[in-house]
Amino acid sequence: GESVGLHLPTLSVQEGDNSIINCAYSNSASDYFIWYKQESGKGPQFIIDIRSNMDKRQGQRVTVLLNKTVKHLSLQIAATQPGDSAVYFCAEIPNSGYSTLTFGKGTMLLVSP
Amino acid sequence: EPEVTQTPSHQVTQMGQEVILRCVPISNHLYFYWYRQILGQKVEFLVSFYNNEISEKSEIFDDQFSVERPDGSNFTLKIRSTKLEDSAMYFCASAKDTNTEAFFGQGTRLTVV
Repeated sequence: GESVGLHLPTLSVQEGDNSIINCAYSNSASDYFIWYKQESGKGPQFIIDIRSNMDKRQGQRVTVLLNKTVKHLSLQIAATQPGDSAVYFCAEIPNSGYSTLTFGKGTMLLVSP
Repeated sequence: EPEVTQTPSHQVTQMGQEVILRCVPISNHLYFYWYRQILGQKVEFLVSFYNNEISEKSEIFDDQFSVERPDGSNFTLKIRSTKLEDSAMYFCASAKDTNTEAFFGQGTRLTVV
């Protein structure tokens, strides 16, 4: 039978490649953005965040880019490893004052050894 | 490292029964959330809780749902009369402040039969 809702965009890469995962957000008033990683059967895990007064932020092996003009967020993972295989969600916080996250649809990253 | 803990990890219940999902947020956090994720879909906001009251809730969070912080450590989600479509992973999250990262628990898988 049909598996409703299981057709996530998927990015397949080789170990050692750089990965770029993209996200379009919806609310131009959002001023805080987070990338979460979700492994199968687990809760979302924080990777990196960025505030709207920045357009780039770097962490360990990860970089987030924010383009407010086109409401676009990207996550770059350098030297991707098999352990990076997961679903990646971007999340935005509208400036509502209560930190309510609105999640994007998610992208599945598959890393082959 | 402090973490959000949720119990049980899996709950099976009959349609029409009440369930209570339990969460222990991180101890110095002030903002608490419930999210749910239907299999293969994105994480959806249910409710946020601050200063012992609901601060925001989504359309999903109807009269069948309620939240409570019965003591200084637990944060519960009650579904009064479960429906088949309530089957999902339910995630609790907490945050120290507004516009800061929310930390997620490992989730409770609710199966309504």
